[in-house]
Amino acid sequence: SQWGEENLQALSIQEGEDVTMNCSYKTYTTVVHWYRQDSGRGPALIILIRSNEREKRSGRLRATLDTSSQSSSLSITAAQCEDTAVYFCATDRAGGYKVVFGSGTRLLVSP
Amino acid sequence: EAAVTQSPRNKVTVTGGNVTLSCRQTNSHNYMYWYRQDTGHGLRLIHYSYGAGNLQIGDVPDGYKATRTTQEDFFLLLELASPSQTSLYFCASSDGVEQYFGPGTRLTVL
Repeated sequence: SQWGEENLQALSIQEGEDVTMNCSYKTYTTVVHWYRQDSGRGPALIILIRSNEREKRSGRLRATLDTSSQSSSLSITAAQCEDTAVYFCATDRAGGYKVVFGSGTRLLVSP
Repeated sequence: EAAVTQSPRNKVTVTGGNVTLSCRQTNSHNYMYWYRQDTGHGLRLIHYSYGAGNLQIGDVPDGYKATRTTQEDFFLLLELASPSQTSLYFCASSDGVEQYFGPGTRLTVL
């Protein structure tokens, strides 16, 4: 799982497999963001889950949020090579205007 | 058309040099941010702003100044650059929910 000063995590899977990335956070948040960063580009938001939601889906993506354990997960179903990227979770501070990022998970999907 | 642009895209300077990184957004967002990203780590917030003339201190502000001259423009200043500031710098703007990132500036301090 990722957070804070932990080193970047790495996962390597085959195309067609399912994968889950985990994130734990230390302070209260009203929302967990999941960003994806492709090589040579800035991060981009892929899914956002609020504290009153337990699950959120977007295409092959599924995010969960457990506020009691302060953890979130991002699952990708039937991963494809184009899902290769670094995935970050992030939480809100200061009323939502300051976002704190986890250390990221590097996902490699091979054909 | 890219809504957050950064310049320069690459910069090399020497220890003790002055560097200014520029960011412009056309999203009409009030919030803008400067992050640094180092190998193996996530993005760390340097400074942010919620409008022209406003500046908020982030989590790793030492050695950095910032200035927000207009709603569109946010600058990061390194007045005495050090090798520890060699990094990939990202600017972002936000509508309060989602952050929109620029393409990044790679800075090398020799």
